[in-house]
Amino acid sequence: KNEVEQSPQNLTAQEGEFITINCSYSVGISALHWLQQHPGGGIVSLFMLSSGKKKHGRLIATINIQEKHSSLHITASHPRDSAVYICAVRFYSGGGADGLTFGKGTHLIIQP
Amino acid sequence: KAGVTQTPRYLIKTRGQQVTLSCSPISGHRSVSWYQQTPGQGLQFLFEYFSETQRNKGNFPGRFSGRQFSNSRSEMNVSTLELGDSALYLCASGTSGPYNEQFFGPGTRLTVL
Repeated sequence: KNEVEQSPQNLTAQEGEFITINCSYSVGISALHWLQQHPGGGIVSLFMLSSGKKKHGRLIATINIQEKHSSLHITASHPRDSAVYICAVRFYSGGGADGLTFGKGTHLIIQP
Repeated sequence: KAGVTQTPRYLIKTRGQQVTLSCSPISGHRSVSWYQQTPGQGLQFLFEYFSETQRNKGNFPGRFSGRQFSNSRSEMNVSTLELGDSALYLCASGTSGPYNEQFFGPGTRLTVL
């Protein structure tokens, strides 16, 4: 079964700390997405990766295709970073690529 | 550019009824995907449309259906509603191909009584 595992499930940190959220998946993928969801439901796409590393402001996402693992890092964390972070992947299938399969999310709280 | 819009934002139905949700993608986007989010199951993929063709379908019963129109707007329909269909239904649009970034709408919160 194609699965996506995220860790940790919950993370509380102090403002300014370096945050790492991990995502592992079971088989080959065509792309991996990192999403952010704030209370109230709105989802924002942070990154889409198929290889290497991407950076946007204080956010960095990396992916290791051989190890089937991705990390999302937040530098100099701030209370406004408090949200649920979700990893989602597109697994390869016989006909191309499947729809997105999601991890259960990491609930991040940054305390002032 | 206007973002992805979904209507209605909130909906209350009773068991056995049917419901139609609408999604208007970002202008120029030809791909629309639908997702269901519940506290128990998290986010789950429903279906994906590209240029009026269903490209992928998730593991949901046949009561869940969808379509895409020539202007890329999409609708999803759920017939014979069950209590377990209460969820946030999200749609996302993208440009093309399996690698496209997903731009999510605000969602429709469906409550089934």
